[in-house]
Amino acid sequence: AQKVTQAQTEISVVEKEDVTLDCVYETRDTTYYLFWYKQPPSGELVFLIRRNSFDEQNEISGRYSWNFQKSTSSFNFTITASQVVDSAVYFCAFQRAGMGGTYKYIFGTGTRLKVLA
Amino acid sequence: ETGVTQTPRHLVMGMTNKKSLKCEQHLGHNAMYWYKQSAKKPLELMFVYNFKEQTENNSVPSRFSPECPNSSHLFLHLHTLQPEDSALYLCASSQDLAGTYTQYFGPGTRLTVL
Repeated sequence: AQKVTQAQTEISVVEKEDVTLDCVYETRDTTYYLFWYKQPPSGELVFLIRRNSFDEQNEISGRYSWNFQKSTSSFNFTITASQVVDSAVYFCAFQRAGMGGTYKYIFGTGTRLKVLA
Repeated sequence: ETGVTQTPRHLVMGMTNKKSLKCEQHLGHNAMYWYKQSAKKPLELMFVYNFKEQTENNSVPSRFSPECPNSSHLFLHLHTLQPEDSALYLCASSQDLAGTYTQYFGPGTRLTVL
């Protein structure tokens, strides 16, 4: 069975600090997808990134970067120079790859990030 | 226009009321989902529709009744709810269910049952 663990329940940082949110997953599948979503206080789950299991290149998008390491089954998310607007709950999710019936996400329990001014 | 919209954003209802939640997606997708997000619980997938046909019902009580009249609209009809049904109800859509596609979520309806 697949599982996603976000061990950090809540993190508080001061503005401009860098912060890394951890995501560890368990699977026996060789092909799968990993996601990060942001949920601000307004409630909407905002899609941030999708990564497939064959692409271990790190990705950077502005202040956001993601480190995917298959060897440790981790897909960590780093925010550089955090801002108050980054305050939200961040979810990591896993999705099996394949045809039909694989649409289900396995979500982690989320990490609440508080960025203090 | 926002990809997935939900109305109302907030709803307070008594246990004997009947109300409906509405979701609309403007992404040209064919699959739509209802999720429930309760405090301190993981997101729970409730229903899935693909090309208007229900493909999944995750043992959801019958007091929740979904309806999908077309690929762009999804409703959740509510009746005789319980206080424990208070939660954030999120709608999502994806291209379809044939492949592995990203789900895009709406802003949710925050429901309080008194």
